[in-house]
Amino acid sequence: ETGVTQSPTHLIKTRGQQVTLRCSSQSGHNTVSWYQQALGQGPQFIFQYYREEENGRGNFPPRFSGLQFPNYSSELNVNALELDDSALYLCASSLQGIRDSPLHFGNGTRLTVT
Amino acid sequence: GNSVTQMEGPVTLSEEAFLTINCTYTATGYPSLFWYVQYPGEGLQLLLKATKADDKGSNKGFEATYRKETTSFHLEKGSVQVSDSAVYFCALSERGGSNYKLTFGKGTLLTVNP
Repeated sequence: ETGVTQSPTHLIKTRGQQVTLRCSSQSGHNTVSWYQQALGQGPQFIFQYYREEENGRGNFPPRFSGLQFPNYSSELNVNALELDDSALYLCASSLQGIRDSPLHFGNGTRLTVT
Repeated sequence: GNSVTQMEGPVTLSEEAFLTINCTYTATGYPSLFWYVQYPGEGLQLLLKATKADDKGSNKGFEATYRKETTSFHLEKGSVQVSDSAVYFCALSERGGSNYKLTFGKGTLLTVNP
């Protein structure tokens, strides 16, 4: 069973730039969620994708967008980066429709915006 | 909205000491409750969960009981080990779109000394 993998592991960008983060879901999982974890804080829900469509969104501006592909992998895109976007971005996969289907997290991408 | 409040750390214990990390929640409806653990440099791993009032979740010597009357889900372990050193997050599930998203507390850093 292949777990959730994220790339890259670390990334440094400049304010105003754009970034794309990638996630491969665990085999057999059809739903991908993205979370932002600022230093010293708990993860915050950004959005979730199922059947290649956004399926729920947290309190994040539209410059945070995503994609899900037919193989269930996903991308998180952030435009016009701000210093406060510096955080660990976590991807989690799960099975749609199963109550409390456990979220399986990747190790995250550490984004630093300078 | 829903929220989770957990005991602020850091918590430092000696090996074999008793551990309690407090967690209380605010929610509409009947959420499920979780404890996740994050080891250094890694993503989150599900430690245990409880889906209804009076349920007890347990795993690896850790336990937590879903107390609806006090809206609490405190984490306990009778004898901690050095390998338990990590950040612990309390979380609740709420429906987001047609699946569930998690609301996390801020996390509690536990350090266990030999």
